Amino acid sequence: AQSVTQPDIHITVSEGASLELRCNYSYGATPYLFWYVQSPGQGLQLLLKYFSGDTLVQGIKGFEAEFKRSQSSFNLRKPSVHWSDAAEYFCAVGPLGGYQKVTFGTGTKLQVIP
Amino acid sequence: KAGVTQTPRYLIKTRGQQVTLSCSPISGHRSVSWYQQTPGQGLQFLFEYFSETQRNKGNFPGRFSGRQFSNSRSEMNVSTLELGDSALYLCASSDRTGAGELFFGEGSRLTVL
Repeated sequence: AQSVTQPDIHITVSEGASLELRCNYSYGATPYLFWYVQSPGQGLQLLLKYFSGDTLVQGIKGFEAEFKRSQSSFNLRKPSVHWSDAAEYFCAVGPLGGYQKVTFGTGTKLQVIP
Repeated sequence: KAGVTQTPRYLIKTRGQQVTLSCSPISGHRSVSWYQQTPGQGLQFLFEYFSETQRNKGNFPGRFSGRQFSNSRSEMNVSTLELGDSALYLCASSDRTGAGELFFGEGSRLTVL
């Protein structure tokens, strides 16, 4: 069965500092991988996705993520965090087609301090 | 293009009642998925519909049901509400079933008293 682990429940960074959010997945084949962001009281917005090809993917709002097959990881990074990045971030994994659901991690809540 | 619309945004019910939530997907999207989000359990998959057919179902009791109409709009129903059903219910649409990119609505916040 597919699963996603986000080991950090809560992270605090200073504005302007770099950010890395960790995500590990378990899946039998090359998965589809996603990062979503959720602001308080809102739905989820897609930041970026990996389907195939270049393992470093660029997303919106200056985020990027790197797929590392050998480590089963898909960590999210941003070189300089802005106060508006404070939100909850979810990593998700889905299958290569077929009628299966997308599985989400438990989320990492990001706090940005001035 | 309009996004995913969920109604109502907020509702309060009492134990034993039932509730129906509605989701209008992005125009042209035929896949609609439902998720329950709670602080303790995170995002839990409820079910997915594609072209009016339920394609996938999560581990929820039979009190949770859904349907999809020919215009791709979807409803989910929870009968005999329990306190533990209090949650944010999120609907997501996609242009294909399975692992397509999901576009989420803002959710329906259900409180059961």
